[in-house]
Amino acid sequence: GAVVSQHPSRVICKSGTSVKIECRSLDFQATTMFWYRQFPKQSLMLMATSNEGSKATYEQGVEKDKFLINHASLTLSTLTVTSAHPEDSSFYICSARGTGLAAPYEQYFGPGTRLTVT
Amino acid sequence: GENVEQHPSTLSVQEGDSAVIKCTYSDSASNYFPWYKQELGKRPQLIIDIRSNVGEKKDQRIAVTLNKTAKHFSLHITETQPEDSAVYFCGTSYGKLTFGQGTILTVHP
Repeated sequence: GAVVSQHPSRVICKSGTSVKIECRSLDFQATTMFWYRQFPKQSLMLMATSNEGSKATYEQGVEKDKFLINHASLTLSTLTVTSAHPEDSSFYICSARGTGLAAPYEQYFGPGTRLTVT
Repeated sequence: GENVEQHPSTLSVQEGDSAVIKCTYSDSASNYFPWYKQELGKRPQLIIDIRSNVGEKKDQRIAVTLNKTAKHFSLHITETQPEDSAVYFCGTSYGKLTFGQGTILTVHP
């Protein structure tokens, strides 16, 4: 149980275009979802926290107009990178926490999306 | 906000030896302390966690100790194996999870 999927696993886009990444909880209701970014050989940095039906809370330094987060249902959150630039190239990972789980405080991670902006 | 410091950044051991990774944190409200193992290009995998009302937890070769007064916790891996080689991250949480900088563990056969 507690499986989180992410799509796509890899995406290459041209500078100036937008990219949408989906994060789904497959077998539980994700009341809270988190989006992280990880640069090579670095730690995971929290970008934003989203609760179902509410606006996302962004971490300091993360541009909310550039990284649009939508958590419209209890099983789906999306991250849209708008007007992507090469410096946005990174590994984006979502995680989810939900109800009905044996460990409700534990976060379950998706497999990540490798974004390359050319 | 929370500040998590993790040491060492790299750790090299011989197969069969023990490995210890330490983390300190700043926010006394943190009450959940997970440890993750991440292989290259993959998602972090939870290997063990501890809550603030417990001082020690063990799962086979892996153990975690927590000192809430001193705000530090440690991961102990005994009888290391080459497949333990990976990057390990500590985390602290009070609502949202903050990661340490990571430790690259290499276990030499």
